[in-house]
Amino acid sequence: DGGITQSPKYLFRKEGQNVTLSCEQNLNHDAMYWYRQDPGQGLRLIYYSQIVNDFQKGDIAEGYSVSREKKESFPLTVTSAQKNPTAFYLCASSPPGGEGKNIQYFGAGTRLSVL
Amino acid sequence: GQSLEQPSEVTAVEGAIVQINCTYQTSGFYGLSWYQQHDGGAPTFLSYNALDGLEETGRFSSFLSRSDSYGYLLLQELQMKDSASYFCAARVQTGANNLFFGTGTRLTVIP
Repeated sequence: DGGITQSPKYLFRKEGQNVTLSCEQNLNHDAMYWYRQDPGQGLRLIYYSQIVNDFQKGDIAEGYSVSREKKESFPLTVTSAQKNPTAFYLCASSPPGGEGKNIQYFGAGTRLSVL
Repeated sequence: GQSLEQPSEVTAVEGAIVQINCTYQTSGFYGLSWYQQHDGGAPTFLSYNALDGLEETGRFSSFLSRSDSYGYLLLQELQMKDSASYFCAARVQTGANNLFFGTGTRLTVIP
């Protein structure tokens, strides 16, 4: 089945530790996105990538890093510089032109907590 | 900056009609999308309006007025499974064709 797979579903981070969240898609979409969602809040854009080997900062990129070495994969690293990482992280992708609407398809999310 | 305002919570009775409003202040506005998210789940696309007027998709309709910077999502014949959070998202042309999401409206459907 085509879709977006995020792993792990739950992740715990220790003080000073970097952790990486995985996002894989088999939809053949060019654009991929990472969002952060805090309780009772909307989605805030962390990073996005329109094409392989290129990515751009979103609204809240500080303390995060990404890579886009393959079209299918867009991993997010939460670094120790991110002082408040506890949140629900969502990965999304959209087809070329977004079907004219920028429809984004989301993974099931990773819930990150700090130990 | 970009901002989208929605009511935080709405409660409605099963079988009724409910309207969720969204007002926006954005630059480079292209259109307004609506997404549904059940607790702990992934947001899923519901509808998109680029032009003024009403778009209907089954029990759900969405409206946009560009001159008023306002839109709404209309849900008819409410079912218990419609209990979820609903987000409006502005599509903006900032070189990356990104979406800016509102803070969401939690809809509770009661028997």
